[in-house]
Amino acid sequence: QQQVKQSPQSLIVQKGGISIINCAYENTAFDYFPWYQQFPGKGPALLIAIRPDVSEKKEGRFTISFNKSAKQFSLHIMDSQPGDSATYFCAASTDSWGKLQFGAGTQVVVTP
Amino acid sequence: DAGITQSPRHKVTETGTPVTLRCHQTENHRYMYWYRQDPGHGLRLIHYSYGVKDTDKGEVSDGYSVSRSKTEDFLLTLESATSSQTSVYFCAILRDREYEQYFGPGTRLTVT
Repeated sequence: QQQVKQSPQSLIVQKGGISIINCAYENTAFDYFPWYQQFPGKGPALLIAIRPDVSEKKEGRFTISFNKSAKQFSLHIMDSQPGDSATYFCAASTDSWGKLQFGAGTQVVVTP
Repeated sequence: DAGITQSPRHKVTETGTPVTLRCHQTENHRYMYWYRQDPGHGLRLIHYSYGVKDTDKGEVSDGYSVSRSKTEDFLLTLESATSSQTSVYFCAILRDREYEQYFGPGTRLTVT
């Protein structure tokens, strides 16, 4: 049973548009929420992460929004570029051992 | 790049044969992880290590064992490979100070 549910499975967005990926969780003990970007044939690369004490974090064109009461968090990719075409994974962890629970992934395609 | 290498990068093996995958890190991190990636499941934790000779099970540990005799090396062994273990295997390290997890390039294993 997946502890982190991610949607949508896939997403097509035009260049310059906004990509939005959503994740929901049940375990209120989760205290660290990273997003990873993965290109074909490569390992996941850490993109941005947030902790529950803030509601939003922005790094360049990437923003995480966090809603603790709804147990949801989302990734927004502003001004999407063809180079952003990749699979994105949300994740969560609950302890100092760093064990991550991953969502199933979202394949994002940015059309020129 | 967190100084993580995995070997081999690709392997095809037959059902019932033993297989060992190696993860090597150059930055002397204490925590290391093995995940498997399958379509529709994201990444799932197999085993992790919190120091030399200190290991523990993840959520999908059945059929796998690990060993860590040196800080820099974390080995994953499939004692008797099955077709259900066909997957892409990723090793990861945790940078303690940042609480951020970084992944290696992966090993694609096919069990025929």
